[in-house]
Amino acid sequence: AQTVTQSQPEMSVQEAETVTLSCTYDTSESDYYLFWYKQPPSRQMILVIRQEAYKQQNATENRFSVNFQKAAKSFSLKISDSQLGDAAMYFCAYRKGDDKIIFGKGTRLHILP
Amino acid sequence: GAGVSQTPSNKVTEKGKYVELRCDPISGHTALYWYRQSLGQGPEFLIYFQGTGAADDSGLPNDRFFAVRPEGSVSTLKIQRTERGDSAVYLCASSPPGGLAGYNEQFFGPGTRLTVL
Repeated sequence: AQTVTQSQPEMSVQEAETVTLSCTYDTSESDYYLFWYKQPPSRQMILVIRQEAYKQQNATENRFSVNFQKAAKSFSLKISDSQLGDAAMYFCAYRKGDDKIIFGKGTRLHILP
Repeated sequence: GAGVSQTPSNKVTEKGKYVELRCDPISGHTALYWYRQSLGQGPEFLIYFQGTGAADDSGLPNDRFFAVRPEGSVSTLKIQRTERGDSAVYLCASSPPGGLAGYNEQFFGPGTRLTVL
């Protein structure tokens, strides 16, 4: 069965600094998707970034980028120039095709002014 | 509004009661998913509909949980004989048909917070 592990329950970063959130996963599949979702107190799950496993190039969305290491089954999220609005729960997630999404337990990110 | 909506936003009930949680997907979305998010945890899959039929209900924890989507649009998650352990946020997501290389983004609703006293 596929699993997603986030080993950092909480992290803090100074405003304008860079922070990296870690994630590892386990699967026997070769073709799948990996995601980072943001969940603010409003509970709305917001897609931050998506990575297709068949792509070697790391995905980037503005200040958000990932380090995808397929062989190591590692998928970290880097947030550059952290802003107060980045404070939220961040979930790493896995999905095979149109199947269900499997989420990690989350990392709570605090932004220090 | 163009997003996924869920009602009620919050529901408080007593142990043993029956509850229904409603999800209105984005218009035209054929796939609908239910997830449960317990306190301090990530969402966990419950059931997935493709059209009117349940394509995968492997995440339903027991026979007290049931979901329907009779017309392929709105879905209702039904919980019988509620227990305190059912307290959680219930999230719904929908995704459109088609898509590149088998991928269709899931769009999430704001969830229903269920509290069983």
